[in-house]
Amino acid sequence: DAKTTQPPSMDCAEGRAANLPCNHSTISGNEYVYWYRQIHSQGPQYIIHGLKNNETNEMASLIITEDRKSSTLILPHATLRDTAVYYCIVRPLYNFNKFYFGSGTKLNVKP
Amino acid sequence: KAGVTQTPRYLIKTRGQQVTLSCSPISGHRSVSWYQQTPGQGLQFLFEYFSETQRNKGNFPGRFSGRQFSNSRSEMNVSTLELGDSALYLCASSFRPLETQYFGPGTRLLVL
Repeated sequence: DAKTTQPPSMDCAEGRAANLPCNHSTISGNEYVYWYRQIHSQGPQYIIHGLKNNETNEMASLIITEDRKSSTLILPHATLRDTAVYYCIVRPLYNFNKFYFGSGTKLNVKP
Repeated sequence: KAGVTQTPRYLIKTRGQQVTLSCSPISGHRSVSWYQQTPGQGLQFLFEYFSETQRNKGNFPGRFSGRQFSNSRSEMNVSTLELGDSALYLCASSFRPLETQYFGPGTRLLVL
């Protein structure tokens, strides 16, 4: 199963862009990259996902490298409410059981 | 549109008891999955239901069971509770299996 590697923690100043990296060097062609975040033991919140193209929605942008071995989640203007643990997940399209969350990155947004 | 709701939000039980947790998916979503989250093991998949049928099951003992009703609401049951069952139990729904899942707030279970 493709696993992900993320830095354990990152700091970001309020109002600045937060760039969260994720390495998934063993990703295969039928696996999506998903990002969720979890705020203090609440349920994970879906942010964005992609296969190979860059994606943008109202919350964030997802940049996937051309070789698909890494990706970056961008929160364009971080606020204090974005402080959370961010999980990068590689999810096979056809194997539901392999939804592996990993340990994530704790993003600390500071005033 | 209302999100996934889970009841109860907090629960304290003693070893040997059983517990039933409830999940109401987002309106129109017919697939419901259950996960267990602990600090040591992270998020682990329990099972998935679609159209009242269990489609997938994770590696948990038979004490963990679930079901889905015709209105897509789901329940999970844990019998003969053990201390190690203390966890945050999360329900997630999607329109169909393999589509993007949206999680509920979870039920925090403490087994004493």
